[in-house]
Amino acid sequence: DAGVIQSPRHEVTEMGQEVTLRCKPISGHNSLFWYRQTMMRGLELLIYFNNNVPIDDSGMPEDRFSAKMPNASFSTLKIQPSEPRDSAVYFCASRSVGDNSPLHFGNGTRLTVT
Amino acid sequence: KNQVEQSPQSLIILEGKNCTLQCNYTVSPFSNLRWYKQDTGRGPVSLTIMTFSENTKSNGRYTATLDADTKQSSLHITASQLSDSASYICVVRDDILTGGGNKLTFGTGTQLKVEL
Repeated sequence: DAGVIQSPRHEVTEMGQEVTLRCKPISGHNSLFWYRQTMMRGLELLIYFNNNVPIDDSGMPEDRFSAKMPNASFSTLKIQPSEPRDSAVYFCASRSVGDNSPLHFGNGTRLTVT
Repeated sequence: KNQVEQSPQSLIILEGKNCTLQCNYTVSPFSNLRWYKQDTGRGPVSLTIMTFSENTKSNGRYTATLDADTKQSSLHITASQLSDSASYICVVRDDILTGGGNKLTFGTGTQLKVEL
């Protein structure tokens, strides 16, 4: 299995632009998570889906952030409009059924908003 | 508020030496504790998991311990190698069966550097 695949690996954009991050989870995993990682705050959960349905989006910082999971093999995280404080590494992770199943992370998208 | 505190924040050791990383948590009710290793530019990868009834778990040169009474865990690395240079993140899951909500609380990690 190729693992969780994220694209792009790096994104540099100007303030005010729309940014779309993409994720393909591991086949057969029924939960998908979006995290943001910064030096100051570590990993923070933004939103997670079970069976393509958003379960908890309380970590989404503002209405500028939105996430979709149209099917079991694809999810997007969109920021519109982007701001410099959104600069961070965004990780997607997936997990199979089971309380003790580990998260499988992608290699992240490093977002820089200037 | 559930919290996970890790120490030290960063650590430099010589290749071949042992080291121990600490994790203290206030998550309650507790379900399990997992240690992840995150290489630079990569996503975290699970090393070990321990539930309430387990007090030690090994994965090669990595040995994790858990004291559920004092809410402390440690990750011991034996005979360190250059490839052990990474961030080590402690993650605690609350107990969904008692209504905890299936939440993970992440520590901010210990940055380990192994030098020649």
